[in-house]
Amino acid sequence: AQSVTQPDIHITVSEGASLELRCNYSYGATPYLFWYVQSPGQGLQLLLKYFSGDTLVQGIKGFEAEFKRSQSSFNLRKPSVHWSDAAEYFCAVGDRNQGGKLIFGQGTELSVKP
Amino acid sequence: DTGVSQDPRHKITKRGQNVTFRCDPISEHNRLYWYRQTLGQGPEFLTYFQNEAQLEKSRLLSDRFSAERPKGSFSTLEIQRTEQGDSAMYLCASSSQGGTEAFFGQGTRLTVV
Repeated sequence: AQSVTQPDIHITVSEGASLELRCNYSYGATPYLFWYVQSPGQGLQLLLKYFSGDTLVQGIKGFEAEFKRSQSSFNLRKPSVHWSDAAEYFCAVGDRNQGGKLIFGQGTELSVKP
Repeated sequence: DTGVSQDPRHKITKRGQNVTFRCDPISEHNRLYWYRQTLGQGPEFLTYFQNEAQLEKSRLLSDRFSAERPKGSFSTLEIQRTEQGDSAMYLCASSSQGGTEAFFGQGTRLTVV
């Protein structure tokens, strides 16, 4: 079955500390992988995406993610977290022929301590 | 381009009433998607349109739900005889045909009391 697992429901980090959010997927075909961010009561904003090529992808707001096929993982990282990064983060997988039909993980809520 | 627009942003309704939501996609996008997001969960795919054709519906879309996109532009999602379990955020997204990225609206928060 196709699925996305985000093992951490809630993470708290100190401002300025590094961040890694985990994402594992199960998908029959070659996946398209995405990370979205959602602020309270808002829609989803795309942080970055991976389709092919270089397995380390750069996104907006200083985020990056690394695709590891052998581990079926697509973890999100940021070297130094800012207070404004506090939000809900969703990993998603999609089909290369259907860019908008996505399977989402349940999300990781990020809190940032001053 | 103002992005994907959804209306209303919030809706409170009594159980048993019908509600309708509207989504205006990015103008040049011919694909439109509806998702439902309950508290503490990620969005779940409901249905999608290519132009005016509804090409796929999730099993989550019960008979009480109907979506339309009559002229291939805006779309409506109607829920009949609402139940408390319908309380959720309803998200709309659009993409271009062959596009690899979906752009989401801010959602409509439905509360059924």
